[in-house]
Formats: sequence, C-alpha cells, structure tokens
Amino acid sequence: NAGVMQNPRHLVRRRGQEARLRCSPMKGHSHVYWYRQLPEEGLKFMVYLQKENIIDESGMPKERFSAEFPKEGPSILRIQQVVRGDSAAYFCASSPGTGVSGEQFFGPGTRLTVL
Amino acid sequence: QKEVEQNSGPLSVPEGAIASLNCTYSDRGSQSFFWYRQYSGKSPELIMSIYSNGDKEDGRFTAQLNKASQYVSLLIRDSQPSDSATYLCAVSPARQLTFGSGTQLTVLP
Repeated sequence: NAGVMQNPRHLVRRRGQEARLRCSPMKGHSHVYWYRQLPEEGLKFMVYLQKENIIDESGMPKERFSAEFPKEGPSILRIQQVVRGDSAAYFCASSPGTGVSGEQFFGPGTRLTVL
Repeated sequence: QKEVEQNSGPLSVPEGAIASLNCTYSDRGSQSFFWYRQYSGKSPELIMSIYSNGDKEDGRFTAQLNKASQYVSLLIRDSQPSDSATYLCAVSPARQLTFGSGTQLTVLP
C-alpha cells in the first residue's frame, strides 16, 4: 500500500494524558501536513513540515501541541495534557513537494476521543 | 468574511441528474484549487484539481474556475447514489489548504 498511513486509527485518552499520532507519507513524498476536523466542523490546517523542519505552524494551538518530522521515521503530532475539546479526527496529508500543483493526499485519519 | 465559502446545502438531486456545487474564495493570490469528496467517517479523497481559468473535465466531473470572480464550481453529471457524500472545496494560497465547510450531497435513487 503506497498511500499515506496513519496510526493509531482510534485513540482514547483520559484528560491530562498525552496523545501521540503518527503519519507516514506516501512513497516519494517529502511534505507532510496535519489537519484537524472537529465534530460537525470543517477541516482546519494545523502544521506543515518537511524532513527535520517545521515550515508553517500557524494553525497549531499555542500550547500543548507540537509536531515533528524526523530524518528517519514517521511524522508525529503530539498533544500533551489532552482536554475534551481535543476530541476530533486528525488527518495527515502528504505531497511530493516539487512542482506547483500542491495536490495533497490524505491518510485515513486518527480519531481521538478524550474521556 | 470566511476565506472559502460553499453553498451550505444539503443538496439533493435525483439519480441521473446534474449536481452543481459552488465555492467562492477571498484570497486573490490563490493559485491552486481542489475538490475533495468525503464519505461519512472517512478521510477526504481528491477528485479534481484546477489551476487556470476555464473548465477541466474528468469523467463525470467538471471543475470550473473563474479567478476574476474568485469562483470555483464542480459539476457532477449523471449523478449516482454512490456520489452521496460531502464535497469540500479547498484553496491553496500557500502550501497548506484552506477548506470550505463542505456541501452535503444526496443522490436519490
């Protein structure tokens, strides 16, 4: 399967715990984007990363949220001290990074539930 | 003013009809425009991309772009019940995508 992979698909955390969401981009893609979809709301951009670099984190909440895309391994979105309002679907998308088309392909998402 | 606005729907059309979905955007510097389809509980699936004024056809789908009017549309011909989904308009002024809130389409058998 050459598509974008995300895991876990479902994650349940209690308030105050940490959530770690992982994303492996499509083969040949070097750009990763994270989006959040709150219940009954649209997709909102969070962060854009290339290998070892955060390019744009203008959509990330100022506290508790961080993201990385190391040289080796998947991209990680980390949420510390989760609260009920963090319950949402978190989608990762990837693009080749070359050319100007900007087409992004989405993974299956991680559904985070905070109890 | 929202950055990307879509006709809110929901939109219902009979099987075999043409479904018309509309989207306007506010950032005149936007260069890339996309339509995604999202089934309930699933992730967005890219169905069309368009970059220049005019029409782009792909099977039963036609995307139309008018940069002067800041308007993008998607036509679905010969609509099928399997087309029932939420359709998301996305605009790319930078590398990230800005999405509209989506239009829920139901195709009635």
